[in-house]
Amino acid sequence: EDQVTQSPEALRLQEGESSSLNCSYTVSGLRGLFWYRQDPGKGPEFLFTLYSAGEEKEKERLKATLTKKESFLHITAPKPEDSATYLCAVRPIIQGAQKLVFGQGTRLTINP
Amino acid sequence: DAGVTQSPTHLIKTRGQHVTLRCSPISGHKSVSWYQQVLGQGPQFIFQYYEKEERGRGNFPDRFSARQFPNYSSELNVNALLLGDSALYLCASSSWGETQYFGPGTRLLVL
Repeated sequence: EDQVTQSPEALRLQEGESSSLNCSYTVSGLRGLFWYRQDPGKGPEFLFTLYSAGEEKEKERLKATLTKKESFLHITAPKPEDSATYLCAVRPIIQGAQKLVFGQGTRLTINP
Repeated sequence: DAGVTQSPTHLIKTRGQHVTLRCSPISGHKSVSWYQQVLGQGPQFIFQYYEKEERGRGNFPDRFSARQFPNYSSELNVNALLLGDSALYLCASSSWGETQYFGPGTRLLVL
């Protein structure tokens, strides 16, 4: 069964304190791994897509990396506006469908 | 460009009632997927439609159904509502094989 586990469940940092979020996955075949940001009561906002081990993507203070079993979302010198829940999802290789399998998310709080 | 739109934004129903949620995809996107997100958890896949045909179904009971219209908009229907159906219902649109972009969601509360 395809499965995604994110850790930690919650993380509280001081402004400027860098850290990493983990996404471990088990999937029969990986079509892609996705990172989304979700603010309370809103829909997920797309951040990155990674397709193969060794791939890295960067956007402002965020950098996503991918290995064969896990992905990391590194956040460098975060600001309070980076506070949100970060969701990781995998798209398994399934004939005729494009479903995403999500983890439970990491709730990130950045204190000023 | 307009993103994915969903209506209504909030809805309150009582047990046993029926509900219809609506979604309009990003212009040019022909694929619409529906997800259910219970508070504190990640979204769970319900359906995917592409070119008006069902392409995938998640592990949800037959009380859940959906359809896609010629203009690629979509409806999600839930019959015989249960308390456990209270959740944020998300619609995502994409081109086939590409990144899914999510709408703001419909918050459903079943009393």
